This record gives sequence, C-alpha cells and structure tokens, in this order.
Amino acid sequence: KAGVTQTPRYLIKTRGQQVTLSCSPISGHRSVSWYQQTPGQGLQFLFEYFSETQRNKGNFPGRFSGRQFSNSRSEMNVSTLELGDSALYLCASSPGTLTDTQYFGPGTRLTVL
Amino acid sequence: EDQVTQSPEALRLQEGESSSLNCSYTVSGLRGLFWYRQDPGKGPEFLFTLYSAGEEKEKERLKATLTKKESFLHITAPKPEDSATYLCAVQGGDTGRRALTFGSGTRLQVQP
Repeated sequence: KAGVTQTPRYLIKTRGQQVTLSCSPISGHRSVSWYQQTPGQGLQFLFEYFSETQRNKGNFPGRFSGRQFSNSRSEMNVSTLELGDSALYLCASSPGTLTDTQYFGPGTRLTVL
Repeated sequence: EDQVTQSPEALRLQEGESSSLNCSYTVSGLRGLFWYRQDPGKGPEFLFTLYSAGEEKEKERLKATLTKKESFLHITAPKPEDSATYLCAVQGGDTGRRALTFGSGTRLQVQP
C-alpha cells in the first residue's frame, strides 16, 4: 500500500500571503489529522477530519483551517501568514476506528519570509 | 490536559551499548500510547502502539513497555542506523478524540 503523500514538499511564502497544503491518506483510511512541528513547540495537533467533518481542533488561531473531500483527501489552509508559521506541517491518516494508529506523511516544509 | 515528558533529551551511545528511553505521561483515560521514530527532515515513522499497563511489544532491537504512569523504549545492542529522534505520544479522553499529544522527543546518536 502506498503511504501518506503530501504536496508540495517545500514552500516559501512571504508574510501576509496564504497557503494551501494537500494530503492524500493511505487507501481506505477515513481519518486525516494535521500537526505542526517546530523546534520550540514540538509536534502540536491542528485538527482532525473524518468523513468530511472536522472532529477536533487544536489550540490554533482561526487563520488555520482545513477540509476533507469525499475521497478522504484533505487540504489545510493558512491565511495571512506570519513568520511564526514557519514549520513542518505533517499529515497523518488512520482507518478511523477508536484506537487506531496514525501514520504520518513526509511533511510540507513551510518557510515564511 | 494530557501531558507527555520524555527523558533524556539527548543520548549518545556506543554501538552495542544497550539503554532505555523514558516517557512519562498524564492523561485522562489512556486509549493508546504510541512510539515513533523520526529522521531529520522526515515524518515520524510508526514503531509501536501500547494499550494497557503490562503490555510489551518488540521489533528487532527495540522493545516497548507500558505501566500506568510511564513507558520505556529499550534499545538492545544499537547500531548507527538506530540514530534518530524517538517520539512518544498519547491518545486519551473522549472516544471521539483522535488527537495525539506528543513529548518533545529523545535524540539518540549511536556511534560506531
């Protein structure tokens, strides 16, 4: 089975711009979660989608949003970028059962200048 | 609020020198404890899931154990290719909540 894929792998943006990141989960997986990883804060949960519905949201401002499509693919959007948004954005997919394991993609490295 | 603390922050071992990494956690209603390995610039790679105290899992040179307050990742006779950051995460609380709470990781370096 192919793993989780994320595009693009690298992005450079300037402050004030917006960005959209894409994630394709493992075939058959219905849950997609997004995490932000920075050297200072480590891995932090952004939000989770299951069957096109946002199930949970982490403690991030409303500039961070996402959606999930009927084929389980997901996108996350960050508007009005700030320097502090520079991070590795990770997508994880899981089958969607109560205690399943999340499998991570390679991440998108976002740099905000 | 779920909390995960990993120690040590960094560990340097000689090839063949066994050791253990610690993950202490506080969670309301543990549903799973997860170990991942992460290489620089890559996404975390799944290693183990533990569900209840007393459970143990093994894979090659790695063995994960779980108690009610902490988990250990034992590395037996490590090789240089085991060098990576090892992350511990917990999933707890609401059955509908799948969010993982991660520790800050242990950076392991194995020297030949």
